[in-house]
Amino acid sequence: NAGVTQTPKFRILKIGQSMTLQCTQDMNHNYMYWYRQDPGMGLKLIYYSVGAGITDKGEVPNGYNVSRSTTEDFPLRLELAAPSQTSVYFCASSYSVSGYEQYFGPGTRLTVT
Amino acid sequence: QQPVQSPQAVILREGEDAVINCSSSKALYSVHWYRQKHGEAPVFLMILLKGGEQKGHEKISASFNEKKQQSSLYLTASQLSYSGTYFCGTERVWHSGGGADGLTFGKGTHLIIQP
Repeated sequence: NAGVTQTPKFRILKIGQSMTLQCTQDMNHNYMYWYRQDPGMGLKLIYYSVGAGITDKGEVPNGYNVSRSTTEDFPLRLELAAPSQTSVYFCASSYSVSGYEQYFGPGTRLTVT
Repeated sequence: QQPVQSPQAVILREGEDAVINCSSSKALYSVHWYRQKHGEAPVFLMILLKGGEQKGHEKISASFNEKKQQSSLYLTASQLSYSGTYFCGTERVWHSGGGADGLTFGKGTHLIIQP
């Protein structure tokens, strides 16, 4: 099992550009999450999904969009990138939302200049 | 609301013990503990659930005080490999009784183990 994979690993965007961060898991988990981690800080939840076709906002959803068309994939879309979106983005998945460990992908380091 | 972790940083000699604390102002369903090394993804250590159940690595011990909404992670006989940043993530109690909307993470505790 590859677990949770993310692409790309690094990306530099110019202000106003858009991009999609890819996330795939092969553990057949229904629950998937997107977090961002700013330098020296904890992780903040952007969006989460409890299954294909169902998504909901987390703590910091502004400037992002998600979709979940399959169990395996949970892409994160950045529209009109801003310097405040410079961060490391982690995708995670879990078997269930309550009381189950989350498995994290390796992260995408994004810089917006 | 973000849980509060203490201390912010700890420096230990190999073999010494440490306690990392996590407290929340919300009623919690569970507390998760993760360790993150620089430039890497967080790695699961332990979950402590409301009601007393625990899941995690045998060599890690932790406690969860449901009355105070506080959890502590105990690192004994520390090894160099324990170095990293430790995060607690909390699931609040939802109307259905379980957690419902993912984890809220603290800012982390930086642990440095010196030989």
